[in-house]
Amino acid sequence: GQNIDQPTEMTATEGAIVQINCTYQTSGFNGLFWYQQHAGEAPTFLSYNVLDGLEEKGRFSSFLSRSKGYSYLLLKELQMKDSASYLCAVLAGTALIFGKGTTLSVSS
Amino acid sequence: GAVVSQHPSWVICKSGTSVKIECRSLDFQATTMFWYRQFPKQSLMLMATSNEGSKATYEQGVEKDKFLINHASLTLSTLTVTSAHPEDSSFYICSADKTGSGNTIYFGEGSWLTVV
Repeated sequence: GQNIDQPTEMTATEGAIVQINCTYQTSGFNGLFWYQQHAGEAPTFLSYNVLDGLEEKGRFSSFLSRSKGYSYLLLKELQMKDSASYLCAVLAGTALIFGKGTTLSVSS
Repeated sequence: GAVVSQHPSWVICKSGTSVKIECRSLDFQATTMFWYRQFPKQSLMLMATSNEGSKATYEQGVEKDKFLINHASLTLSTLTVTSAHPEDSSFYICSADKTGSGNTIYFGEGSWLTVV
C-alpha cells in the first residue's frame, strides 16, 4: 500500500529554523513534492526532488534520500506568514499521493 | 509560470442535482490531471487520475458513476458530481502534470461545493 508520514503539528518562533520530516513507502517513485497550503486555499508548489540530495531555493530547502524513503523540508528565517500546512506528496507511478500535512505555527 | 484555472471557484446546488467543475491548463499541455477533495482541516484525498483520451483511474472507495471525469483535450478536464448530496459538500481541487516538464505539477485554485 501507499503510506506517507509526517508530523501533525509543529511550532516555532520568528527567525528560527524548522525541519519538517516526511517518510514514505509507495509502490513506485517518480519524485517527491512539498507544498504549502494556507487555510481555505489551494496548495502552492514549493519544491520537487527526484534525485538524492539537497535542493535550496531561498529560505526553503528540500532534501531527499530515496534509499531511506525520507525527505525533509527546511525553512530558515521563519516569518509569521510561514504559518501554514506543509504537505509532502509522492508521485507514485501516475498518481500523486499526499501525506496528511504538517501544521506549522510561527509565533513572535 | 504555468497556470491552472479551475471554474467555478464556488458553487451552491440543490440536493439531487448535478454540478460540473472545469480544470484548464492555460499555458501548457497536460496529459495527466488529478482530482482531489479536501475536507476542512484534512489533507488532500486523491479521487482519480485523469488521462487525456482515456478513462480515468479512480481510487478505491470513489464512485466512478457519481464522480464523472472527462479529459477530452490536453488542456481541459471536467469533474461532474452527479445527484449531489450534502455529504458531497467539499473543496475540490485539480492539478495538472505539465507534459515534458519532468513531472512538474501545478494546482488549480480549487472549487468549493456546497449542496443544500
